Amino acid sequence: DTAVSQTPKYLVTQMGNDKSIKCEQNLGHDTMYWYKQDSKKFLKIMFSYNNKELIINETVPNRFSPKSPDKAHLNLHINSLELGDSAVYFCASSQVGVIATNTGELFFGEGSRLTVL
Amino acid sequence: GEDVEQSLFLSVREGDSSVINCTYTDSSSTYLYWYKQEPGAGLQLLTYIFSNMDMKQDQRLTVLLNKKDKHLSLRIADTQTGDSAIYFCAEMRGNAGKSTFGDGTTLTVKP
Repeated sequence: DTAVSQTPKYLVTQMGNDKSIKCEQNLGHDTMYWYKQDSKKFLKIMFSYNNKELIINETVPNRFSPKSPDKAHLNLHINSLELGDSAVYFCASSQVGVIATNTGELFFGEGSRLTVL
Repeated sequence: GEDVEQSLFLSVREGDSSVINCTYTDSSSTYLYWYKQEPGAGLQLLTYIFSNMDMKQDQRLTVLLNKKDKHLSLRIADTQTGDSAIYFCAEMRGNAGKSTFGDGTTLTVKP
């Protein structure tokens, strides 16, 4: 039973198209994230939602729009895809807050590899 | 990552010890982590250390934290070919949930 699942695993599309990646977590966590991993394997945070509320929004083009219908889901929609958007996108979740037992560990999905042609 | 730095590559022979180093800049970091990424997979937490600790040992893994120098290291004893992966150092500040990652160290274990 996968803890953080994202679909699709692979996505190949043409420049200018619009695409979405979906993410779901069944861990009961209150916070979800999108990370982008480029071809050099560098990992950068894009967005974070806590209980459906946007709390982290790094410098990401407006073409990227996250949506969180409930705290178990965080989807990523990308408009007008560009070549530079080609990357692996990772969804993650964690339980944050002041509870002493929270270590802030991130649980990652398997990644969605986006290729823009 | 601009606030967390680690060397990009490390190559060792099977059976040797591996030491991966990381430096960070924010002294308010509460937790520091080591994540492992195997090819084609997501990151998985390997181990973590709370900022008020100096050392943590877990089987073949030893984490050392030098808070004064803002230096974190991961030692893998008796490195195996299955340890070949990318290792990411990360730090979290407070309870905001934002973790900053280093650029990852690719560990290659030669038989």
